[in-house]
Amino acid sequence: EAQVTQNPRYLITVTGKKLTVTCSQNMNHEYMSWYRQDPGLGLRQIYYSMNVEVTDKGDVPEGYKVSRKEKRNFPLILESPSPNQTSLYFCASSLSGMWEGHEQFFGPGTRLTVL
Amino acid sequence: ELKVEQNPLFLSMQEGKNYTIYCNYSTTSDRLYWYRQDPGKSLESLFVLLSNGAVKQEGRLMASLDTKARLSTLHITAAVHDLSATYFCAVPFGNEKLTFGTGTRLTIIP
Repeated sequence: EAQVTQNPRYLITVTGKKLTVTCSQNMNHEYMSWYRQDPGLGLRQIYYSMNVEVTDKGDVPEGYKVSRKEKRNFPLILESPSPNQTSLYFCASSLSGMWEGHEQFFGPGTRLTVL
Repeated sequence: ELKVEQNPLFLSMQEGKNYTIYCNYSTTSDRLYWYRQDPGKSLESLFVLLSNGAVKQEGRLMASLDTKARLSTLHITAAVHDLSATYFCAVPFGNEKLTFGTGTRLTIIP
């Protein structure tokens, strides 16, 4: 089944404890992206990647890192999480970039709480 | 910076009625995406609009794009309860970024 998977689905952690949220897609998509969703602020793009080793900042990259060493995986790294990073995170993938007009598939989401 | 505004933010409508959600954006783009999100769930792609004048229809939903007016509409025909959800538009910006609208929470009342 074509899908985007994220792990973990739920995570409660403490300030400053490094964490990684994994994202994997099995559709051989070039474009992958991370978003955060907050009440009243909608969805905001954190980072995106056009292909292996090609990543770029979205609108809210501060406090996050990403890597794209393999086409299928796009982990989101929080080196030193803070309470303002408490949010619902979505990973998504698309056959190619957003200007190409391909459908974007979203993962199930990761609810992160930073105490 | 690209701004994408949707209105209304909240919409409560009766079953069987028609209504339109509007998505305005602040910079030139001939691409626009519509998504649906059910409560507690992820996002699902509804439409991809690829040019000025593009119109796409799926069931009771029809989306259109006017790039000159920087406006997209999502029209709901004869609403049914299953269409209750939050609807987002999104516009590409710069080098493959994607900016979302604030979302419209639609509630269909029997």
